[in-house]
Order: sequence, then structure tokens, then C-alpha cells
Amino acid sequence: NAGVTQTPKFRVLKTGQSMTLLCAQDMNHEYMYWYRQDPGMGLRLIHYSVGEGTTAKGEVPDGYNVSRLKKQNFLLGLESAAPSQTSVYFCASSYAGSYNEQFFGPGTRLTVL
Amino acid sequence: GQSLEQPSEVTAVEGAIVQINCTYQTSGFYGLSWYQQHDGGAPTFLSYNALDGLEETGRFSSFLSRSDSYGYLLLQELQMKDSASYFCAVRLTDSWGKLQFGAGTQVVVTP
Repeated sequence: NAGVTQTPKFRVLKTGQSMTLLCAQDMNHEYMYWYRQDPGMGLRLIHYSVGEGTTAKGEVPDGYNVSRLKKQNFLLGLESAAPSQTSVYFCASSYAGSYNEQFFGPGTRLTVL
Repeated sequence: GQSLEQPSEVTAVEGAIVQINCTYQTSGFYGLSWYQQHDGGAPTFLSYNALDGLEETGRFSSFLSRSDSYGYLLLQELQMKDSASYFCAVRLTDSWGKLQFGAGTQVVVTP
């Protein structure tokens, strides 16, 4: 049981490049989330999904897109990376009825030059 | 906008007790969660208070007063491994499916 996994662990991009971060969970959770974490700012929700094929905007969605084609996967896309998107990105998942308890992946450290 | 307030840093010695407060201005929320995050690691769930009162889990306890929009995490018999950041998070009544996190409190445990 791997829990929540994220790919890649580290990435360096140049401004304007695009990339996709992959999140996978094997706990059959309904809900999945993408957060970014910047120093002194805690966890900020980018987008989330309450089920396969559905997504919703969080607190800081601009510049990001997401897709959830399969229940176990949640993809985060950056179409045109900007230095302001340099951050650590965490994916999380939870059961629908108990989303107060979220299970986090190990994170992806992204640097945009 | 809505926000949670918690102290940025707390320092204490091994064996001591630390209380991390979390306050929130809102018309209503379901409950309060606490997460722990070690440097370079992923946040991990510690506790959830759905009802007012004290919940105890080993050395850690969490308290909630919904009428006061206030809660705290109590760390007892501090150990060096408790050095980490601790985040409170609220489950709001007007935003199903998501949590709002505080900025975190860094706890530094010294010998």
C-alpha cells in the first residue's frame, strides 16, 4: 500500500515552459487535492476534486489546470510556468465523509527560473 | 478575508508542555484539525475535533470551543522528535470538501 505518490520529486523549469505533476493514490479515496506551500504561508489549495471527472477551484487556481480522468489519479498542469510558481506542491486525498483527515504525498519541489 | 491565526514559533525544552493556539473568525465551521510537518516532509494528520472539548491521543491533546472559534493543540512531555511545524485547519460550513489551513507554528525543542 503506497498511499499517495507524486511524480516528479524535483523539477527545474524555465519561464514559459509547461509541465504536468502526477498524483496517484491507492486508498480508493473519493477526494483529491493539490496544494502549494511557500515559506511562512502554510498550505494553500490550488484545485480539488470530489470525484472522478469533477474538479473545482481552490484558493489560488490561476495559472494551473487539473484533470481527474481516473479515480486514483489527479494531474496538475502548468501551461506557461512563471517564477511566482516556484514552490513545493503537495497532493492529498481523503474519504468523502472525513476530509478533515487528508493523506499527503511526499511533495514536488518546483523551481521556475 | 477569512483567516486562521496561530503563533509563528514556539521554543521549549525537552520534557516541557507546549500549547499552540488557533483562532478563527467565521460564522460557522464543522470542526478543527491539526497536522504535523517535519522539515522536508509531508504533513501528517494528528487530530480532529468535531465537538467542543478535549480530545487526547497519547502525549498530544486537542481542544475546541466552537462558540469562541478557538482551539489549541497541547504537546506534553516534549521530545526532540516533536520539533516540527504544526498547522490547524478548519472545515467550513460554506465550503464542502475542503479545508482552510493556518500558516503554521514552528515548534523548536531544545535539550
